[in-house]
Amino acid sequence: DAGVIQSPRHEVTEMGQEVTLRCKPISGHDYLFWYRQTMMRGLELLIYFNNNVPIDDSGMPEDRFSAKMPNASFSTLKIQPSEPRDSAVYFCASSLIGGLKEAQYFGPGTRLLVL
Amino acid sequence: AQTVTQSQPEMSVQEAETVTLSCTYDTSENNYYLFWYKQPPSRQMILVIRQEAYKQQNATENRFSVNFQKAAKSFSLKISDSQLGDTAMYFCAFAALDSNYQLIWGAGTKLIIKP
Repeated sequence: DAGVIQSPRHEVTEMGQEVTLRCKPISGHDYLFWYRQTMMRGLELLIYFNNNVPIDDSGMPEDRFSAKMPNASFSTLKIQPSEPRDSAVYFCASSLIGGLKEAQYFGPGTRLLVL
Repeated sequence: AQTVTQSQPEMSVQEAETVTLSCTYDTSENNYYLFWYKQPPSRQMILVIRQEAYKQQNATENRFSVNFQKAAKSFSLKISDSQLGDTAMYFCAFAALDSNYQLIWGAGTKLIIKP
């Protein structure tokens, strides 16, 4: 299996622009997680999906952030409008049903820089 | 509130030595999972090892093993015969069984393996 795939790997944009991050989970995994990692706040869970349905989005920082999972093999995290404080590494992770027992498998991350 | 503490911000050892990274956690839960993740310079998060709290036997994965002390709420990671490729940030994470899969992360320990 190719593992969790994220694109783009790097994104540089200007404040106010829309940013879309993409994730393809491991085939057969029922859970998908979006994380943000910064030096100041460490690794934060933003939202997670079970069978394409958002279960907990309490970690989404603001209304500027939205996430979708239109099918089992694709998810997006969108920031509109982006701000410099959104600069971070964004990880997507997936796991099998019974997620904790199987742990979460992370993608390579998207390094976002908002100027 | 559940917390995870990694008291060693940075460690450095010679190649082939054994190194132990410490992790303590605080919880009132009885059923939970503990994880060690590795984040090399590539920034990808890689699962190293997992321990279920109800299992008394310490988990082992090749050169990686844990010392799980449930009463002391301690979960240290031992790396034997360390290799240059072990250089990375190591994160300890906790998740209660009914936590909605939310991992609680430690701040990380930067491990440097010197040739």
